[in-house]
Amino acid sequence: EDKVVQSPLSLVVHEGDTVTLNCSYEVTNFRSLLWYKQEKKAPTFLFMLTSSGIEKKSGRLSSILDKKELSSILNITATQTGDSAIYLCAGASTGLNYGGATNKLIFGTGTLLAVQP
Amino acid sequence: NAGVTQTPKFRILKIGQSMTLQCAQDMNHNYMYWYRQDPGMGLKLIYYSVGAGITDKGEVPNGYNVSRSTTEDFPLRLELAAPSQTSVYFCASSYSGAGNTIYFGEGSWLTVV
Repeated sequence: EDKVVQSPLSLVVHEGDTVTLNCSYEVTNFRSLLWYKQEKKAPTFLFMLTSSGIEKKSGRLSSILDKKELSSILNITATQTGDSAIYLCAGASTGLNYGGATNKLIFGTGTLLAVQP
Repeated sequence: NAGVTQTPKFRILKIGQSMTLQCAQDMNHNYMYWYRQDPGMGLKLIYYSVGAGITDKGEVPNGYNVSRSTTEDFPLRLELAAPSQTSVYFCASSYSGAGNTIYFGEGSWLTVV
């Protein structure tokens, strides 16, 4: 059965700290790994990683995929209170169905990050 | 851009009632999905569709039905609502092909009492 596991489940830090969130996956026909940030409503897209060892960056956030270890990390430097959210990791599974490619996401339970002033 | 639009945002149902959650997207995406998210849990796939007229079960399809008569719309029907279906429901869509990013609606909070 496909699964995605995130750790830690929750994390409390102070503004300015650096945090690392972990994600491991076991996904059949793995295609890519995605990170989302979820505040009060729907998840919003952060990164999609398809190649191992290539870091993606967006401001203070960065992420990298390790296909050998079946894992990914999300780093946030100089954290701010606005970074407080649930961070979701998802593995994209691909296959062929109905004559075309399918694309399903298997989500982890998320890491709840709380950044205190 | 409206993106993915879900209605209603909030609903309270009595056990045994039925209802339909509406979802529409204006991005001409082939793929559409319904997820549910229980408190403290990740999103679980209920049903998905790879195009008009084609639907398939996800991880947790029991108690739900879907249809996809047009590219834009992907309604989710709950028949005989049960307390276990109390959850937040997210509709999402993506372009065809693997590994593309998925765009989510804002969610529908459903409580079954």
